[in-house]
Parts: sequence; C-alpha cells; structure tokens
Amino acid sequence: GQQLNQSPQSMFIQEGEDVSMNCTSSSIFNTWLWYKQDPGEGPVLLIALYKAGELTSNGRLTAQFGITRKDSFLNISASIPSDVGIYFCAGPNYGGSQGNLIFGKGTKLSVKP
Amino acid sequence: GAGVSQSPSNKVTEKGKDVELRCDPISGHTALYWYRQRLGQGLEFLIYFQGNSAPDKSGLPSDRFSAERTGESVSTLTIQRTQQEDSAVYLCASSWGHQNTEAFFGQGTRLTVV
Repeated sequence: GQQLNQSPQSMFIQEGEDVSMNCTSSSIFNTWLWYKQDPGEGPVLLIALYKAGELTSNGRLTAQFGITRKDSFLNISASIPSDVGIYFCAGPNYGGSQGNLIFGKGTKLSVKP
Repeated sequence: GAGVSQSPSNKVTEKGKDVELRCDPISGHTALYWYRQRLGQGLEFLIYFQGNSAPDKSGLPSDRFSAERTGESVSTLTIQRTQQEDSAVYLCASSWGHQNTEAFFGQGTRLTVV
C-alpha cells in the first residue's frame, strides 16, 4: 500500500540550532500536512500545503511542498525546548485504504537546553 | 464544542472486560478517523467514516474491535474482551471530508488494561 517515508526517525539537537526533516512518497500528492504531537497530547496541525513549490511559514516553522509533488520538508529555526515532540507528515490517499489520509511514522525531536 | 472531544481521557480496565470510547467530532465534519498509538510509536489507522458511506474498517486489528457512528455526529469505539496488548492511546480525528483532508485530533483516551 501507499506509504510516507519520514526522516530522520529521531533528532537530538542543542537549543538554538536549526532543524530540518522531510517526508517522501512514491506517488504524487496534492496536499501535504505537517502535525506536531506534544507528549501526552493529540497531534496538532501546524502547516498545510496545497501547491507544488509552495513555501509556507508559521512562526519559526517553514514547510515546503516539493516540486516533484512527491516530497515535503519542514524546517524549524532557532529551536527552543518547547519544540520537543513528534512531527508527523500526512497526505491524502483518495480511494486507498486507511481512509483518505495517511501519516508518516514521525520524527521525534529532542532539544537540549 | 470548538474542537474534537474524547471521553474518557483515561480508562483503566481489567483484562477480559469490554470498553467503550467516545468521540465528539467538530460540528459539520463529515469524516471521522480512529487511530491507535502505542507508547513511543506512530499512528496506527483503525477505522474511517465518511458521511453515509460504508466505513473503511481495514485497520481494525481483530473482531474484538468495532466502531459506530450515527450520521455525522458522535462515534464510539468498542473493544470487547480487552487484552493487555490493547493498552494504548486511542485518538479520534475529524475533517470536512471529501477533498479537504485537514484533520483535527482530540486529546485521546489512554487505555490501560491490567
């Protein structure tokens, strides 16, 4: 079945560093979603992308919809301790299994003060 | 309410008992998802409801798991004869459905089977 490959699986960084993670698919997507899950909470939608090449920011977060429409990137600038959590990418899966939305396995971010 | 609401937030049950988890989606959202998340793991799809269409049950791990949704409102996930491996956080999400896939999650129900 269709899968999203997210990398890296985990990251350990120093406070103040920039972070980059990505998500790739074997098929073309027309939407990319990025979520963050804080410990003990449900995932929260951070950024939604709808157009190839689109670059969207939300505070210190910037996400890009890849030109090939098969990948997306999420960057966090000047990380702070509250950035800790799991970041998931997601995309539509029309007509496929798992409903019409599939998720990557997540990138776990740890920030050292 | 303004967001997806799940109840209870925590549930401890004895092995072999049945449990029922509830999800109130955002008003007007036609699509509703249930996911299971084991400790430190990703989101495991369970079931998807879209409007009045037949639900996508392809993720339910066994016949002990079932879910219902009345119209476009509340959904309940039922686990019969619970086992210790059912211990996890159960997350519900809803979206406008069809072409709009932006899903919004509830806080989850943490289920512990002892």
